[in-house]
Amino acid sequence: KAGVTQTPRYLIKTRGQQVTLSCSPISGHRSVSWYQQTPGQGLQFLFEYFSETQRNKGNFPGRFSGRQFSNSRSEMNVSTLELGDSALYLCASSLELAGTGDSEQYFGPGTRLTVT
Amino acid sequence: LAKTTQPISMDSYEGQEVNITCSHNNIATNDYITWYQQFPSQGPRFIIQGYKTKVTNEVASLFIPADRKSSTLSLPRVSLSDTAVYYCLVGGYNQGGKLIFGQGTELSVKP
Repeated sequence: KAGVTQTPRYLIKTRGQQVTLSCSPISGHRSVSWYQQTPGQGLQFLFEYFSETQRNKGNFPGRFSGRQFSNSRSEMNVSTLELGDSALYLCASSLELAGTGDSEQYFGPGTRLTVT
Repeated sequence: LAKTTQPISMDSYEGQEVNITCSHNNIATNDYITWYQQFPSQGPRFIIQGYKTKVTNEVASLFIPADRKSSTLSLPRVSLSDTAVYYCLVGGYNQGGKLIFGQGTELSVKP
């Protein structure tokens, strides 16, 4: 079956702009998690959505937000972009809430965001 | 919050067994331990998950002592293609639980 897909794969934005990233989970998966990966900070958890509700949240400012639709597809939005937001943004889906049994997370290829 | 600590890097040779240990002193009662593998420019790939004692699948084994304050990923007979970064993840199911990846261990397998 099809894996996790993310669009777009690459994006270049200017400081102050906003951006929306999209993630389509594996069919049947109800949980979608978002991560930011940078060389300096590694993989950092942003938030998790399950059945259209945000269930877990990492330590990121309110400029980072997300949502999940009834078909489990998820979007992540970053407003007022800063240079430090340049990163690889990864989306992962799982059958159940991440961190529980049967919660193997399948990652997408990521969106490479560059802020200039 | 369950913070994890792993070695930054490890070197090995083809055919050897590699053991990577992750410390998670503050693991919660209902936290699972999961290990991922990541190649450059790719998303992490699930390797194995466990709660206690020992778990084995076709690619690795995971050893978890009784106190669950650490875990060891064991890769038997590594090959060059096992060169990657390995992450230890401890997750929380309870409301407000936060998923934390370790720093990752960069494994380099040499011929």
